Amino acid sequence: NAGVMQNPRHLVRRRGQEARLRCSPMKGHSHVYWYRQLPEEGLKFMVYLQKENIIDESGMPKERFSAEFPKEGPSILRIQQVVRGDSAAYFCASSPHHGTSGGIYEQYFGPGTRLTVT
Amino acid sequence: DAKTTQPTSMDCAEGRAANLPCNHSTISGNEYVYWYRQIHSQGPQYIIHGLKNNETNEMASLIITEDRKSSTLILPHATLRDTAVYYCIVRVSQKLVFGQGTRLTINP
Repeated sequence: NAGVMQNPRHLVRRRGQEARLRCSPMKGHSHVYWYRQLPEEGLKFMVYLQKENIIDESGMPKERFSAEFPKEGPSILRIQQVVRGDSAAYFCASSPHHGTSGGIYEQYFGPGTRLTVT
Repeated sequence: DAKTTQPTSMDCAEGRAANLPCNHSTISGNEYVYWYRQIHSQGPQYIIHGLKNNETNEMASLIITEDRKSSTLILPHATLRDTAVYYCIVRVSQKLVFGQGTRLTINP
């Protein structure tokens, strides 16, 4: 069973360009989470999605950032008009869907995408 | 989610048990204690979690005090590959809130 996959692993963009980061969750997982890790800092939650729905986007910057998890295909984190401060590692995690008890499941992380803005 | 306090760094000799403490004095009754680790900028790796009882799996043991205000992660026989940043997280919601963690260095 393949783990969480992210691509590209490294992405270089010039200021003002767009960055698209992809995340394929583990098989059978329908919940996806995006986190950002700035250099020498801990991970910060950005957004939590289920198929076709954004559940919690409390950590997303209000402008330039968007996320989706379509019915078919990977989850996409999109950053428009990138700036140098967007340079970071972006991690995606996935977990199984809720059971009837609404339990919290452990999250499994991908290897991350390292974005460098020049 | 409740706040956690961990030592910034720790050292442990290879082959010995590594005991990583975590304080979570404001934890509420329905919050779980989770441990993750991050090895050299890789994606975080789930280790173990618990609510009230002590837990053990193939990676580690988790000891939670009776009042639940603190816990200890135990790596019974540390190896060089256990060098990583270890995060203690208390959570009731779906998102994980990472603190600064403990940088554990295993020395040969």
